Amino acid sequence: QMQLVQSGAEVKKTGSSVKISCKAPGFMYRYLYWVRQAPGQPLEWLGWITPFNGNTNQAQKFQGRVTVTRDTSLTTVYMELTGLRSEDTAMYYCASHADRSNYFDYWGQGTLVTVSS
Amino acid sequence: QPVLTQPVSVSGAAGQRVTVSCTGSSSNIGANYDVHWYQQLPGAAPKLLMFGNSNRPSGVPDRFSGSKSGTSASLAITGLQPEDEADYFCQSYDSSLGGVVFGTGTTVTVL
Repeated sequence: QMQLVQSGAEVKKTGSSVKISCKAPGFMYRYLYWVRQAPGQPLEWLGWITPFNGNTNQAQKFQGRVTVTRDTSLTTVYMELTGLRSEDTAMYYCASHADRSNYFDYWGQGTLVTVSS
Repeated sequence: QPVLTQPVSVSGAAGQRVTVSCTGSSSNIGANYDVHWYQQLPGAAPKLLMFGNSNRPSGVPDRFSGSKSGTSASLAITGLQPEDEADYFCQSYDSSLGGVVFGTGTTVTVL
């Protein structure tokens, strides 16, 4: 059964970085996104990767601050967000859609990132 | 500025019909991009509820239906059930932003 399993909650200081993971066996030929949900805010995507070829893209708002990578086995993807500020406190999800579609039919369980001074 | 706008909340009695609107613009819904809907139960990740404007994934009850017209889309729940209490989000693609966009979210309450 295909599923996305994310790493655990993180607590970080303002100005630091966080790197969270998403185990995604079987998702090699799909798009894997990082989507966050801040309190009272709409869902927003930060970046995506296609593990089989390593292609990535970042949302304009996060360019320069977010890096999406995958491991050599192509079964785990990572999202690193730098320059953390309090507004980055959110639940971060990895989510996947198939090629030639853009609806997310698989979601991870979420990783809570809390940023404080 | 939110790209896709939804009402903050919608409520109805059990058994009633409620609708959730999703208003976009000429660069997303109005540009003929599909609209998809997600249901998020308290404490859970979003779950795909509707794709391609009006298609239900396997396992989604047929009391959920979707439609799209012009720059807006709607999700209807006919015969509202207590287990339908959740947040609902629409999603589409925006050509100006070059990526997927999500709605502001609507909380559905069963009275």
